[in-house]
Amino acid sequence: GQQVMQIPQYQHVQEGEDFTTYCNSSTTLSNIQWYKQRPGGHPVFLIQLVKSGEVKKQKRLTFQFGEAKKNSSLHITATQTTDVGTYFCAANIMDSNYQLIWGAGTKLIIKP
Amino acid sequence: NAGVTQTPKFRVLKTGQSMTLLCAQDMNHEYMYWYRQDPGMGLRLIHYSVGEGTTAKGEVPDGYNVSRLKKQNFLLGLESAAPSQTSVYFCASSNSRDFHEQYFGPGTRLTVT
Repeated sequence: GQQVMQIPQYQHVQEGEDFTTYCNSSTTLSNIQWYKQRPGGHPVFLIQLVKSGEVKKQKRLTFQFGEAKKNSSLHITATQTTDVGTYFCAANIMDSNYQLIWGAGTKLIIKP
Repeated sequence: NAGVTQTPKFRVLKTGQSMTLLCAQDMNHEYMYWYRQDPGMGLRLIHYSVGEGTTAKGEVPDGYNVSRLKKQNFLLGLESAAPSQTSVYFCASSNSRDFHEQYFGPGTRLTVT
């Protein structure tokens, strides 16, 4: 079936370092959403990207949607302990049914 | 608004037992979803509903049934639980087919022994 590949699976960073997670699809995406799941919690919506080449910022978080609408990235500048969690991308595939296709997530771990 | 609520929060079943998980939302959303999340993995869609009285299969529907008799409620049933169904189950709702965020419940942690 359709897949959205998300890398890396884990990323260990020192507090203050940057963090990036990537999502890639072989199929053109209608839109892509990003969610954050804190340890023991549930996914919480962060943002949605719709337009080719779109870039959106939320404080230290920068979200990008590729020109071909087949990839996306989330970049966090100067990580803080509150950023700990797993970040998921979820996408609607063009001409698909009602389902979101989820990436496997990238777990952000802050090294003490 | 309570948002999306799920009951129970935790449950332990023996193989072969049955149970129903209840999801309720007070946001008047048309679309509701049941996902399972296994350790270190993403979310996999079990079943979903695009409106009252409708249901459809997702990626991993085997061993589960669902019902949407009322717009605000979406029930997930396990008729004969198996250890492979040990997981965290999340319910979600949204107010459109796409371009709108999904709101998640707190999850139900199910263990089948």
